[in-house]
Amino acid sequence: GAVVSQHPSWVICKSGTSVKIECRSLDFQATTMFWYRQFPKQSLMLMATSNEGSKATYEQGVEKDKFLINHASLTLSTLTVTSAHPEDSSFYICSARRSLADTDTQYFGPGTRLTVL
Amino acid sequence: AQSVSQHNHHVILSEAASLELGCNYSYGGTVNLFWYVQYPGQHLQLLLKYFSGDPLVKGIKGFEAEFIKSKFSFNLRKPSVQWSDTAEYFCAVTAIHNAGNMLTFGGGTRLMVKP
Repeated sequence: GAVVSQHPSWVICKSGTSVKIECRSLDFQATTMFWYRQFPKQSLMLMATSNEGSKATYEQGVEKDKFLINHASLTLSTLTVTSAHPEDSSFYICSARRSLADTDTQYFGPGTRLTVL
Repeated sequence: AQSVSQHNHHVILSEAASLELGCNYSYGGTVNLFWYVQYPGQHLQLLLKYFSGDPLVKGIKGFEAEFIKSKFSFNLRKPSVQWSDTAEYFCAVTAIHNAGNMLTFGGGTRLMVKP
């Protein structure tokens, strides 16, 4: 159990376009989902915390108008990179935390590699 | 704010060698501790976790970790590594406080096991 999926797994887009990444918890309900960014050979950096039905909480330095997060249901959160630029190219990873048992364990998706040309 | 440090960035071992990866955190309060593994081309998977109780925690695939509160450490160990253990290992900590539990990652240790 505790499987998290992301779609797409990779995307290439032109500078100035917007890209939406989906994160789904497949076999459990997740009241909280997290979005991370991972640069090559570096660790994961938390971008934002997403709670179902409420606004996301962004970490310092993360532009909320650029990285739009919507957590519309207990199994789906989306991250939209608006007006993407080459410096937004990165590996984006989501995780989900189960709402009941095991409340402090995050389960991670496979990641989405974004390349902005 | 809490921070996590993993002192070994790269480790190369031969099969059957013993493994110990260091992890130290900085936070004076109550913490939950995790080790995640990321195999090449795959997503992060939970190896083991410590919330409370016995400070020696056993995880999957023969891994174990020991929480030593006085040293703020949570080192990962395996008595005999296999080639299939080649991966990147991340230590992570959540600090338990009223503002919510944010997971903070260490920089990762890339392990290569030679056959």
